[in-house]
Amino acid sequence: QSVLTQPPSVSGAPGQRVTISCTGTSSNLGAGYDVHWYYQLPGTSPKLLISGYNNRPSGVPDRFSGSKSGTSASLAITGLQAEDEADYYCQSYDNSLSDYVVFGGGTRLTVL
Amino acid sequence: QVQLQESGPGLVKPSETLSLTCTVSGGSISSYFWGWIRQPPGKGLQCIGYISYTGSARYNPSLESRATISVDMSKNQFSLKLSSVTAADTAIYYCTSFSGYDGSFDYWGPGTLVTVSS
Repeated sequence: QSVLTQPPSVSGAPGQRVTISCTGTSSNLGAGYDVHWYYQLPGTSPKLLISGYNNRPSGVPDRFSGSKSGTSASLAITGLQAEDEADYYCQSYDNSLSDYVVFGGGTRLTVL
Repeated sequence: QVQLQESGPGLVKPSETLSLTCTVSGGSISSYFWGWIRQPPGKGLQCIGYISYTGSARYNPSLESRATISVDMSKNQFSLKLSSVTAADTAIYYCTSFSGYDGSFDYWGPGTLVTVSS
């Protein structure tokens, strides 16, 4: 059971907009910690997609954006492309675990 | 750009110690933080721990009694030791760089599968 809750799967057609939620509690997202997002293509290592308040590493298109409100965060992907099909993970910290790292369980995005 | 490469045995016997090394290239190990994250086959991510170049480490509370991360600046490497392993420690182990600024894991190695089995 992951500390941060993500839907197991989401799907969308090419060109559409999809969102992936990451739900926490008052001891993690609600405590003001940043949330970071990673994507993982099948058979490869995860890669940082968005860090902190909507910061995209070099090379990440602006089709990807992050937001956070209260105890929840969301990753939005616009103009969905076939290459976006991957697993997506959120990550933050939890003060009930001595401010340690926590991950969401991951969401599989399928492009229809 | 920083590149990371894990190395170590792919098979470890139960109750023994898992030992992995990460070689850093494209950057100095003395200027950043470094971490280990694992992923059981078909499952999600778990942070094992992270360390600064000064050697100050933090560990996942659930693994703290068994995990040790260390840095070797002379070789530009950092290492993980996980003692008393069981089948539950079977996973892909990733070494990463860790941003002390915002707490994200910004570069990842390709990962290495470690299987715990007799």
